[in-house]
Amino acid sequence: NAGVTQTPKFQVLKTGQSMTLQCAQDMNHNSMYWYRQDPGMGLRLIYYSASEGTTDKGEVPNGYNVSRLNKREFSLRLESAAPSQTSVYFCASSENRGRTGELFFGEGSRLTVL
Amino acid sequence: AQSVTQPDIHITVSEGASLELRCNYSYGATPYLFWYVQSPGQGLQLLLKYFSGDTLVQGIKGFEAEFKRSQSSFNLRKPSVHWSDAAEYFCAVLSSNTGKLIFGQGTTLQVKP
Repeated sequence: NAGVTQTPKFQVLKTGQSMTLQCAQDMNHNSMYWYRQDPGMGLRLIYYSASEGTTDKGEVPNGYNVSRLNKREFSLRLESAAPSQTSVYFCASSENRGRTGELFFGEGSRLTVL
Repeated sequence: AQSVTQPDIHITVSEGASLELRCNYSYGATPYLFWYVQSPGQGLQLLLKYFSGDTLVQGIKGFEAEFKRSQSSFNLRKPSVHWSDAAEYFCAVLSSNTGKLIFGQGTTLQVKP
């Protein structure tokens, strides 16, 4: 069972470069999420998609864009990377718009912006 | 505003010893509370959750948590820790405003042989 798959697992960027983090889930979940994890900050929600065709901002959306390509895939794009975006990024999915609170996470993507 | 606080950033226990990880929440109504575990290099996995009913909740891997409304706490416990329990643990509350999880800062558990 693949669950939630994120690519790439590691990436190093220079300031100003762009990149897209890819996420796919094979559990037929409606909702998908992008979080960032920073030391001492826990996980903070960047964007989420309650269902196919919809996206909404979370706590820390600035500097990011997302696309819910279809029910399976939810990508996160950094148009012009900044050192403050150095972080570990997690994609997650859930069945019922997150109301049960049970999220299924990918293994993370570690991004370093120089 | 709803929030979750984990007072302990880092805890070290000996293998076989008991464990209690603290979690305090700020929430007006009855909260939906969760504990997640993150093993090194992995994503988060749900350990247990509390919605209502019995205030002592059993989870996977031998963990349990007790909801105490009077103390606004939802502490995680395990009677005997194994070396494989070394990980980061996150408490979370489901926000009634957004329907999204609000995570605490996390507690890193180190297990001594």
